[in-house]
Amino acid sequence: SQQGEEDPQALSIQEGENATMNCSYKTSINNLQWYRQNSGRGLVHLILIRSNEREKHSGRLRVTLDTSKKSSSLLITASRAADTASYFCATDSLTGANSKLTFGKGITLSVRP
Amino acid sequence: GAVVSQHPSRVICKSGTSVKIECRSLDFQATTMFWYRQFPKKSLMLMATSNEGSKATYEQGVEKDKFLINHASLTLSTLTVTSAHPEDSSFYICRPPCGQTDTQYFGPGTRLTVL
Repeated sequence: SQQGEEDPQALSIQEGENATMNCSYKTSINNLQWYRQNSGRGLVHLILIRSNEREKHSGRLRVTLDTSKKSSSLLITASRAADTASYFCATDSLTGANSKLTFGKGITLSVRP
Repeated sequence: GAVVSQHPSRVICKSGTSVKIECRSLDFQATTMFWYRQFPKKSLMLMATSNEGSKATYEQGVEKDKFLINHASLTLSTLTVTSAHPEDSSFYICRPPCGQTDTQYFGPGTRLTVL
């Protein structure tokens, strides 16, 4: 079953604008991760935020985590056409040493040049 | 460089063929490997977890006899799609457990098309 649910499902913005994507989940987690996937390609790990962290930055990416609301957001600043891709959040749940990643349905981001 | 490899990257086969997908950890040992499946324009769904030295653990709804998973060594896990049918056409991806490290890895994926 899917744990994370992203919104919006699709987002279209102009190059240079910021893109904000949200993810909500249902159960307790160890961490939450965001991935990017270009069409027909594999997954690229973007960022991992642990359950005791509230905000994390990596280059043009900013991720927040609110465990009380069971939600996370991914902000891409100054977007580029190359950011066009599908974005997934994935939750790492509390099931022991080899805990599983559960993916949301994904958000399709289109950045218009 | 890549730390997890998959072979083949793409396979097209006729219905009824069995297809074997290899997932190798390149510079580390993995006692466990997660196998995911992704249908076109859909999300990734965990299929099963291979375990070195013991049987694989399958997720609910995944046929054990259809998807044979073997953890042959600490660097190799294999997924065999037996008697593949068009509905098995999908993107199959392996992933080693990476704990809570900041860098997480997935295999590059294998695109299976069954005619």
